Amino acid sequence: SSELTQDPAVSVALGQTVRITCQGDSLRSYYASWYQQKPGQAPVLVIYAKDNRPSGIPDRFSGSSSGNTASLTITGTQAEDEADYYCNSRDSSGNHVVFGGGTKLTVL
Amino acid sequence: QVQLVQSGSELKKPGASVKVSCKASGYTFINNAMSWVRQAPGQGLEWMGWINTNTGNPMFAQGFTGRFVFSLDTSVTTAYLQISSLKAEDTAVYYCARVRYSNNWYFDYWGQGTLVTVSS
Repeated sequence: SSELTQDPAVSVALGQTVRITCQGDSLRSYYASWYQQKPGQAPVLVIYAKDNRPSGIPDRFSGSSSGNTASLTITGTQAEDEADYYCNSRDSSGNHVVFGGGTKLTVL
Repeated sequence: QVQLVQSGSELKKPGASVKVSCKASGYTFINNAMSWVRQAPGQGLEWMGWINTNTGNPMFAQGFTGRFVFSLDTSVTTAYLQISSLKAEDTAVYYCARVRYSNNWYFDYWGQGTLVTVSS
């Protein structure tokens, strides 16, 4: 099992706000980053270093962190946001990367 | 623009070897480490490790030592993943990803993925 814990599945109504969380001890010291992956496609970075958006990522995506939990929030969720979302940070040794197990987001 | 272009799908028999390439362009190759990430069918992302593109020094995640080799050819800005003694459980999509750092490591550009299928 991963050292970063994500809910396996989350659903949201079209146009509403959804928060996807990632829990792990390393998040008390290190920032999480977030990736969106649609079926048959490579992951895409949507948030890096806790709350930074790469160019080209819509501003409805935002990141935050508190204690051992990092969050990805999508405000005004669109149909095209339906995807798997993964967080990443470090493992307990602090020397290696680890991914969360992923959250499947369904837009209703 | 930054691009990572990987080699095509492979079908291999158990016990064989495979070498996957990742051609980088649009940036200075030796300025960023290159990571490899595995995704088994229907599963999540699994970090395999990375290679320092300046020194060639690799680091492997637990579970990816022994049969896995990371290498480079800086003259053609290409990173390679080689897997030997293939097993059915190596069947997966393998991604290369450029490494960045800001308090923590993250991956800003990804290759399109290479499907490796191991079957007799």
